[in-house]
Amino acid sequence: RKEVEQDPGPFNVPEGATVAFNCTYSNSASQSFFWYRQDCRKEPKLLMSVYSSGNEDGRFTAQLNRASQYISLLIRDSKLSDSATYLCVAVSGAGSYQLTFGKGTKLSVIP
Amino acid sequence: ETGVTQSPTHLIKTRGQQVTLRCSSQSGHNTVSWYQQALGQGPQFIFQYYREEENGRGNFPPRFSGLQFPNYSSELNVNALELDDSALYLCASRAAGPQGEAFFGQGTRLTVV
Repeated sequence: RKEVEQDPGPFNVPEGATVAFNCTYSNSASQSFFWYRQDCRKEPKLLMSVYSSGNEDGRFTAQLNRASQYISLLIRDSKLSDSATYLCVAVSGAGSYQLTFGKGTKLSVIP
Repeated sequence: ETGVTQSPTHLIKTRGQQVTLRCSSQSGHNTVSWYQQALGQGPQFIFQYYREEENGRGNFPPRFSGLQFPNYSSELNVNALELDDSALYLCASRAAGPQGEAFFGQGTRLTVV
């Protein structure tokens, strides 16, 4: 079983739609969680951190459920510029800071 | 721009050869990590360096090795290249501590033929 698993995708949605990404992690010792965005042939860039209390940044909402080891990302009012691959990340590694990435879910927002 | 630069951006090598990839970390960042991203996959952790010492390693064979220099820049060396080593190699730097964000360089795309 992979440490971080995401919806396989791809997701093709019309502009203005709401889209949800789901992710589960297997290492209960994981300390922190993030969503990264990666554009085609580019490096990953931090989208937002994920907290148990949930956090919102404009059209983006992230949520962590430690009991279920489940992480989510919700994008409201999708824009064409949201088209990218979204990577779920768990941080682990005793004494180090190891980012464990999911495989990523590709989102295409269609006009 | 993240301030993390990698070189070269693209590289083609022959199976069995050796390769060295370089990374300059962002100013003030003393921790550098390397990741391998195969096509269609998420990045996989190779190893991490903190103050010139390796302090974490993923599931990669010993032919993957690295260095960190006093200015915190870093190298990734891969010996005896295999076809499956073809991937995007990403370097990430961060400041020490639990809250430091990791910033990625643009990556080096390695093709082994």
